[in-house]
Amino acid sequence: GAGVSQTPSNKVTEKGKYVELRCDPISGHTALYWYRQSLGQGPEFLIYFQGTGAADDSGLPNDRFFAVRPEGSVSTLKIQRTERGDSAVYLCASSPWGSANEQFFGPGTRLTVL
Amino acid sequence: GENVEQHPSTLSVQEGDSAVIKCTYSDSASNYFPWYKQELGKGPQLIIDIRSNVGEKKDQRIAVTLNKTAKHFSLHITETQPEDSAVYFCAASEGSQGNLIFGKGTKLSVKP
Repeated sequence: GAGVSQTPSNKVTEKGKYVELRCDPISGHTALYWYRQSLGQGPEFLIYFQGTGAADDSGLPNDRFFAVRPEGSVSTLKIQRTERGDSAVYLCASSPWGSANEQFFGPGTRLTVL
Repeated sequence: GENVEQHPSTLSVQEGDSAVIKCTYSDSASNYFPWYKQELGKGPQLIIDIRSNVGEKKDQRIAVTLNKTAKHFSLHITETQPEDSAVYFCAASEGSQGNLIFGKGTKLSVKP
């Protein structure tokens, strides 16, 4: 079946602009995670959804970052007033129900802030 | 919070040899430990995982061991092939929600 998909695959923006990154999880997966991966590092947790609600947003670096999942499937990560330090690969993963279960990652969106 | 350390950062082996990557974790409450393989330009791919009620798990050429007392777990790849070349990440699941804490990765190179 189809895996996790993310769009766009690449996004180049200017400092101060607003961006939206989209994640389509595996059908039927109730848990959805966003991670951020900087060059040469492991992914770092940003936010976790169980259904429509953000169950844990403790990884969001500041209030410029926000994510939604209004219908419990597709999620959008939103970044306001982008900064050069936001440049990274943003990864989305989904899981059948979360806790201690396999997470399947999408290919990521490479965000470059000029 | 949880902290995961991974060693070595780079590993070069000859085709056919074995490769071992080791990780330690800090939070004794962590109960799920997956391993991911990441190729250049791609997302991490789950290759094997282990839960805290099991000491060892094997899947063909790949095995993972877990020592809960010492809080470390290891990935073993036997009969390595050039296509095993990639960056490998270990992770630990913190808390009941399942968000993963990753190690910094090991770049494995398998020379033909």
